[in-house]
Amino acid sequence: DAKTTQPPSMDCAEGRAANLPCNHSTISGNEYVYWYRQIHSQGPQYIIHGLKNNETNEMASLIITEDRKSSTLILPHATLRDTAVYYCIVRVGYNFNKFYFGSGTKLNVKP
Amino acid sequence: EAEVAQSPRYKITEKSQAVAFWCDPISGHATLYWYRQILGQGPELLVQFQDESVVDDSQLPKDRFSAERLKGVDSTLKIQPAELGDSAMYLCASSWGDGNTIYFGEGSWLTVV
Repeated sequence: DAKTTQPPSMDCAEGRAANLPCNHSTISGNEYVYWYRQIHSQGPQYIIHGLKNNETNEMASLIITEDRKSSTLILPHATLRDTAVYYCIVRVGYNFNKFYFGSGTKLNVKP
Repeated sequence: EAEVAQSPRYKITEKSQAVAFWCDPISGHATLYWYRQILGQGPELLVQFQDESVVDDSQLPKDRFSAERLKGVDSTLKIQPAELGDSAMYLCASSWGDGNTIYFGEGSWLTVV
C-alpha cells in the first residue's frame, strides 16, 4: 500500500550534501509527506514533514515540487552517522491517519 | 526527551510457544501503533489504537496475534502460537492524536526457532 517510490540505494561523500529523491505522483491535496530514517537495528527516527511549502529544521531540508508529485530530502553536510535507510512516507487519510512505509533508500556516507 | 518504551529488546522462542511484547507510549499520546518489520523490508502496520479502541487491525493475523490497550496507556502485543515466519522486529509507535507525527520505540527483536 506504499504510495511512494525511492531509489534502493545512494552513496554520498562525507561533508557533502545528500539529496534523497522521492516520487509520490498519486498524492492527494491534503496528504503530508514525511521522512524518517532507520539506523541499523533501531526504530525509525522522525526527520521532517511538509504539505506544500519547503521545510527546514536542524536535521534536514525538505523540498516539495510545485505539483507535489515529488520531493527531495537534503542533508546539507552528511556525516558517517547519517548512514541509514531513509523512508519517504505519504500520510494517508482524513481520520485515523496511516503511515505506510515502503522499502526506503539506503544512504551510504563514505569517508 | 520522552521516548516510547518497549520490552523485551530481544526474545528467542520456540515454534508453537506464546510470546508477548509490551509498549509504553510517550505520556499523553492517544494514538498507539504496532508495526512489524521483516529484515530488509519497511515496517508494516499491524494495529492502530485510539485511546483504548482499535481503529485499524486489518493487517493483524487474528488467528494468532492479539493486541490490547486496556486503559488507553500501555499496550501488549501477543503471538500464540509463534511460527518461524514471525521472526521480525516488532515496533511500537505513538502520537498525540490522529494526524500527528508518530514516534517509534527501539523495537523488540523476535527470533522463532
